Amino acid sequence: EIVLTQSPGTLSLSPGERATLSCRASQGISSSHLTWYQQKPGQAPRLLIYGASSRATGIPDRFSGSGSGTGTDFILTISRLEPEDFAVYYCQQYGSSSYTFGQGTKLEIK
Amino acid sequence: QVHLVQSGAEVKKPGASVKVSCKASGYTFTTYYIHWVRQAPGQGLEYMGIISPSDGGTNYAQNFQGRVTMSRDTSTSTVYMELNSLRSEDTAVYYCARERADTLYFDYWGQGTLVTVSS
Repeated sequence: EIVLTQSPGTLSLSPGERATLSCRASQGISSSHLTWYQQKPGQAPRLLIYGASSRATGIPDRFSGSGSGTGTDFILTISRLEPEDFAVYYCQQYGSSSYTFGQGTKLEIK
Repeated sequence: QVHLVQSGAEVKKPGASVKVSCKASGYTFTTYYIHWVRQAPGQGLEYMGIISPSDGGTNYAQNFQGRVTMSRDTSTSTVYMELNSLRSEDTAVYYCARERADTLYFDYWGQGTLVTVSS
């Protein structure tokens, strides 16, 4: 099973700052199999980025994803944090006919 | 618009079973897979498995094989997830989520169903 490790566990930043969230896979995965979700308290996860770098419908362009080909390191960047961006972010991968999620990065207001 | 509406919260005793429903609307039911994901209190997301509404085919995550059954009713556009032999560790919010065939991401999620297992 491919394990996804997200870092940092918690990221404390202020509105307007840039956030960089990491997702590392235990073995190489296709970028087309890497997805990012945002989850706010009491809500279901929300699709942000699929295929490592494609924004989902309605997602602002301050959100971007990177990581290409078959690799182990993927990044979610939020260029200028808005108050509504403070949440938990999960990466997800598909492999061997199943899915796994990272443990999440909590983005909190500093 | 697309909606996945799940059944209400459940309280179960250890050893019992629970069946959670997920009713789809706003799209063609048979053209999207439905996945189930759970989240224990304060924890991350755990993948449970997939059902294809078009043919009822399923694939369960290894951690749940033998204990979970997913089914569907095309007449009501509803998918079901039944988990047996409940234990306290199964206390979680259970989500259904939609995937357009073979896109490998979940674009719409249900609101979640809290299942509490307690004696």
